[in-house]
Amino acid sequence: EIVLTQSPGTLSLSPGERATLSCRASQSVSSSHLAWYQQKPGQAPRLLIYGASNRATGIPDRFSGSGSGTDFTLTISRLEPEDFAVYYCQQYGSSPFTFGPGTKVDIK
Amino acid sequence: EVQLVQSGAEVKKPGESLKISCKGSGYSFTSFWIGWVRQMPGKGLEWVGIIYPGDSDTRYSPSFQGQVTISADKSIATAYLQWSTLKASDTAMYYCARATSPFAWFDPWGQGTLVTVSS
Repeated sequence: EIVLTQSPGTLSLSPGERATLSCRASQSVSSSHLAWYQQKPGQAPRLLIYGASNRATGIPDRFSGSGSGTDFTLTISRLEPEDFAVYYCQQYGSSPFTFGPGTKVDIK
Repeated sequence: EVQLVQSGAEVKKPGESLKISCKGSGYSFTSFWIGWVRQMPGKGLEWVGIIYPGDSDTRYSPSFQGQVTISADKSIATAYLQWSTLKASDTAMYYCARATSPFAWFDPWGQGTLVTVSS
């Protein structure tokens, strides 16, 4: 099973700042089969990025994904008030498909 | 608009059975997979399993194999997640979500069904 580790656990930033979230896999993720989701309190997760770097429909271009193999990054170029949430990575290249534990981005 | 609408919250006792549902609309229900994801209180996301309503091909995470059953009724565009014997540890929010294949991301997601198992 591929274990995903996300860091940091919590990221405290101010609106307008840049956020860099890391997702590291215990084994190489095949074909960059990695997605990022955003979850706000009381809401279902929402897809942000698939295939490591492809923005989902309707996702603002301040969100970007990069990486391959075992190291992946989600970057939010300038935080908007609505971006404070928990972010999860997920690998869907090797069964069982797994999620990371999440990174909480909160307001400093 | 593609939508997945899940059934309402449930409160059950240990040992009882339960079937929750996820109804798809706005797309060809038999052309996409429907997956289920568990989120225990205050915790992260766990991949439970996935079904292709077109032919009922179903895959389970080893952690959930034998613990739950996933099914679908394509005539009413609805997928199901069921338990035959609930345990307190099944208390969680359960989400359904659409995928293009088992090896794919989930988008969109249903609103979630909260299952509470307590004596």
